[in-house]
Amino acid sequence: GENVEQHPSTLSVQEGDSAVIKCTYSDSASNYFPWYKQELGKRPQLIIDIRSNVGEKKDQRIAVTLNKTAKHFSLHITETQPEDSAVYFCAAPFSGYALNFGKGTSLLVTP
Amino acid sequence: DADVTQTPRNRITKTGKRIMLECSQTKGHDRMYWYRQDPGLGLRLIYYSFDVKDINKGEISDGYSVSRQAQAKFSLSLESAIPNQTALYFCATSEDRDYLLGLFFGEGSRLTVL
Repeated sequence: GENVEQHPSTLSVQEGDSAVIKCTYSDSASNYFPWYKQELGKRPQLIIDIRSNVGEKKDQRIAVTLNKTAKHFSLHITETQPEDSAVYFCAAPFSGYALNFGKGTSLLVTP
Repeated sequence: DADVTQTPRNRITKTGKRIMLECSQTKGHDRMYWYRQDPGLGLRLIYYSFDVKDINKGEISDGYSVSRQAQAKFSLSLESAIPNQTALYFCATSEDRDYLLGLFFGEGSRLTVL
């Protein structure tokens, strides 16, 4: 299946700073890359996704960039707030119509 | 609101017991999935189903089986539970399209095997 590597595993930033999480994938045919946020004790929820026909997508303070040549994509969170503290997962297609997930990044935003 | 419901939410059992985790959804989605979450290992795909007659193995299907009883119901079974199957299990759904869409997760079922 698709191997998805995610870094870093933990990230601590001060409120107001930016946070960047990176993922790499192995299958060059992959065409859909979502990001999920999981708050403590909650279910993962989709926060943003990108398809392979675009290089960047923004939604308020979050953005995702895709580099198909290098086979990596990144989540960018600007002006971080304490409520951004959570575990973030990237994902890439497995067998075309299922998703394999990275191991997650635990983000801590300190006031 | 349309949702994905998992039962039980918590279960403690003993080694060798048979366990079934159930998932039902009111989102009207055709595609359903079972994932397992372990600390530091992320979410790993166990099985997925695109319709009632379609069942596919994921990354870690050994020791598990599934049943798609209806469009809205997808059950995960552990025929003989073992301690390393202690984990948080998530059911998820997605719409049926010719391209991938995001997953909607249930609230999770925490299973402890003693």
